[in-house]
Amino acid sequence: ETGVTQSPTHLIKTRGQQVTLRCSSQSGHNTVSWYQQALGQGPQFIFQYYREEENGRGNFPPRFSGLQFPNYSSELNVNALELDDSALYLCASSWGHTNEKLFFGSGTQLSVL
Amino acid sequence: AQSVAQPEDQVNVAEGNPLTVKCTYSVSGNPYLFWYVQYPNRGLQFLLKYITGDNLVKGSYGFEAEFNKSQTSFHLKKPSALVSDSALYFCAVRDIATSGTYKYIFGTGTRLKVLA
Repeated sequence: ETGVTQSPTHLIKTRGQQVTLRCSSQSGHNTVSWYQQALGQGPQFIFQYYREEENGRGNFPPRFSGLQFPNYSSELNVNALELDDSALYLCASSWGHTNEKLFFGSGTQLSVL
Repeated sequence: AQSVAQPEDQVNVAEGNPLTVKCTYSVSGNPYLFWYVQYPNRGLQFLLKYITGDNLVKGSYGFEAEFNKSQTSFHLKKPSALVSDSALYFCAVRDIATSGTYKYIFGTGTRLKVLA
């Protein structure tokens, strides 16, 4: 077990709604990355936060946004939900931003109806 | 652009037999390669990584991986499979974006089924 916890574990929303997913990183880790894992696919990089600043973003639209707090926990916010946003959202923490080893949470399964 | 490919969606192996899960990569420069495992309803767990050094990398749970530069492969292996090894395995390469961010690019995953 890693020390990364995510909440909620499951969520059902309807198209057009907004959602906030939460992640508590492993103790001592100052970097959080978020990944989207669609069914049958590998995880895809959404963005990364290092010391409370976004320092990299994947190919996701601006309606995907995030925050990192002083205790290094993090939120992923998605506005104007679309059906294709249905996926497992994974949070991963690491120490430093070089990401030589990621520690993943169990994920939040989001279903958009 | 960096990428990895996992050519097999599923690999079946009998318990006690050796297993191999294949991965090929395409990178510019020196590759940083990883294997992660995902059990049902769980996040990904780190198995091993290759950065430099010996081509045979040893990792968790008795797994190892062989880096082959000429074949651009990084296959995951285990000498004797256990039923508990049944899971989804992901190969990944670490990429550096122009912003300087280090991110992972994952393959599509290979489901390993170990049969008793």
